[in-house]
Amino acid sequence: GEQVEQLPSSLIVQEGASVLINCSYTDSASVYFPWYKQEPGKRLQFIIDIRSNMERKQNQRLTLLFDKKTKHLSLHITATQPGDSAIYFCSASEGGSALGRLHFGAGTQLIVIP
Amino acid sequence: DPKIIQKPKYLVAVTGSEKILICEQYLGHNAMYWYRQSAKKPLEFMFSYSYQKLMDNQTASSRFQPQSSKKNHLDLQITALKPDDSATYFCASGDWGKDTQYFGPGTRLLVL
Repeated sequence: GEQVEQLPSSLIVQEGASVLINCSYTDSASVYFPWYKQEPGKRLQFIIDIRSNMERKQNQRLTLLFDKKTKHLSLHITATQPGDSAIYFCSASEGGSALGRLHFGAGTQLIVIP
Repeated sequence: DPKIIQKPKYLVAVTGSEKILICEQYLGHNAMYWYRQSAKKPLEFMFSYSYQKLMDNQTASSRFQPQSSKKNHLDLQITALKPDDSATYFCASGDWGKDTQYFGPGTRLLVL
């Protein structure tokens, strides 16, 4: 089945810095890749997604890049703020359906120091 | 998102007992899911339902039984609880044609 790997496992940056979170998956049939953010004790909050027919998607300070050939995604967050501190999860929806089961990476804990 | 409600927020149970985790969504979605997050494993899929019918099942143990009494409800019954069942259980919902799954606040279960 699908396996999703995410690196790094943690990042500590100064406010204003940019960060890059990398994600790879194994199943070439996966077509939909949502990302979530989770603050301590809170729900997973959807932040951005991309489909396999796209290479790039931007949502304000978030840019998501997708390489179908290498089965690799990267999330770029610019001008980080303390409110960005959270665990970020990459996921892949199994098979050809966007509403299939989501396979998650282990998460990247981002800490932004004011 | 307060439109996905999970009850209770915290639950403490003894080994061998049975508990029901409640999930209701008021987003008008027709697909609902359960995921589990524990200290030992990353977020993992358990079940999905669409129009109140089982769509997908990853949970090997029959101790975990989803129950859908209404289109916007998907409860999770767990029997013969074990300490390894301790985790946060997240309910999610989605709508065909709209891609995104939205998550509830979770029920944090501790089995002693």
